[in-house]
Amino acid sequence: SSELTQPPSVSVSPGQTARISCSGDALAKQHAYWYQQKPGQVPVLVIYDDTERTSGIPERFSGSSSGTTVTLTISGVQAEDEADYYCQSTDSGDTYWVFGGGTKLTVL
Amino acid sequence: EVQLAESGGDLVKPGGSLRLSCVASGFPFNNAWMVWVRQVPGKGLEWVGRVKSRTDGGTTEYAAPVKGRFSISRDDSKNTLFLQMNSLKVEDTAVYFCTTGSGYHWGQGTLVTVSS
Repeated sequence: SSELTQPPSVSVSPGQTARISCSGDALAKQHAYWYQQKPGQVPVLVIYDDTERTSGIPERFSGSSSGTTVTLTISGVQAEDEADYYCQSTDSGDTYWVFGGGTKLTVL
Repeated sequence: EVQLAESGGDLVKPGGSLRLSCVASGFPFNNAWMVWVRQVPGKGLEWVGRVKSRTDGGTTEYAAPVKGRFSISRDDSKNTLFLQMNSLKVEDTAVYFCTTGSGYHWGQGTLVTVSS
């Protein structure tokens, strides 16, 4: 299966650590990518190849991978991090992209 | 500076056709794999399809919901990516984004509304 599953929502207080998971069989063999999308804005790639942070993304953003689950961790969450986060990977043939359903991060 | 600018979105009746364009600048477009992604307002991201660079064969792939109805092409001489959409359905209503194959650069999107 190429489906990716994310929790619909995650809530944290400022300064705490937010962890957003993404699960799917494809993740055992394919890399994962994480996008941040704020209301009315275009998606921004924050993590690529499971763990690599895109240029210009704050160090508090990190990615990890274990088996069929990848996790986006935001350490010391700030109010500006409130957004929708999408994981993305590819099918086993590396032909098409598949997105998770998205996780709304709320900063309390 | 890399820029991607989509255009062509409009209101169209079910069964109609529309062609979207994406003009690229600031990077070697002819070497880039290009992707179309769509997003129903308020909903998640959905991959539509992609085209490889000519040097990598220029082949296209499509998501199941649009296969046979949508067609992706490119004009490297004009740094432009196209999405030809035929037999449009209400469920094709979305903002359509073009993005590079890396997912690093995205256009601002263009809204396609399919409604009678």
